[in-house]
Amino acid sequence: QKEVEQDPGPLSVPEGAIVSLNCTYSNSAFQYFMWYRQYSRKGPELLMYTYSSGNKEDGRFTAQVDKSSKYISLFIRDSQPSDSATYLCAMSGSGGSNYKLTFGKGTLLTVNP
Amino acid sequence: DGGITQSPKYLFRKEGQNVTLSCEQNLNHDAMYWYRQDPGQGLRLIYYSQIVNDFQKGDIAEGYSVSREKKESFPLTVTSAQKNPTAFYLCASSKEAHGYTFGSGTRLTVV
Repeated sequence: QKEVEQDPGPLSVPEGAIVSLNCTYSNSAFQYFMWYRQYSRKGPELLMYTYSSGNKEDGRFTAQVDKSSKYISLFIRDSQPSDSATYLCAMSGSGGSNYKLTFGKGTLLTVNP
Repeated sequence: DGGITQSPKYLFRKEGQNVTLSCEQNLNHDAMYWYRQDPGQGLRLIYYSQIVNDFQKGDIAEGYSVSREKKESFPLTVTSAQKNPTAFYLCASSKEAHGYTFGSGTRLTVV
């Protein structure tokens, strides 16, 4: 079993839809959970960051972490064509080399106008 | 502005040639990382360094080498021993477990 599993998609939605992106993981030592957005031929940029379980909201984006189920989600409300990108989940433990991130393979999202 | 600069943006390598990818950061981050990204494979860790003059192999270090002589710089050499070097290479840095800052990447192609 891979440490982090992420459905690669591709996912295609109409503009204005609610998008749900998900990752599961197996390592119970993971404490920090992140979502990155990567546009084509660019480096990933940090979108959301969450420590331990709970929800975090930033504008149209909501990140959820359920450590009991080892499951994290990113919701995008009122999706826009500019949201079309690959979304990568990432996670790490705490301290020392545990800062090293483990990434999912990414989900390719297309939002159609 | 603080950030990570990768150069060149595009690089072409001939068979049997070593090439070096540059990565410089002015974020005062201690840790730096090199990843390789291939279609459908996600990000795979090549090497990482948590402190100057020290670095560790990642999951796919064979055919690559690095150095960390300065805090700001973490160059990656793709040697002739790397049999399939065509890929998108990403450099990143981090201060703590608050996520990475990535560079804009170098696309390496074997010709």
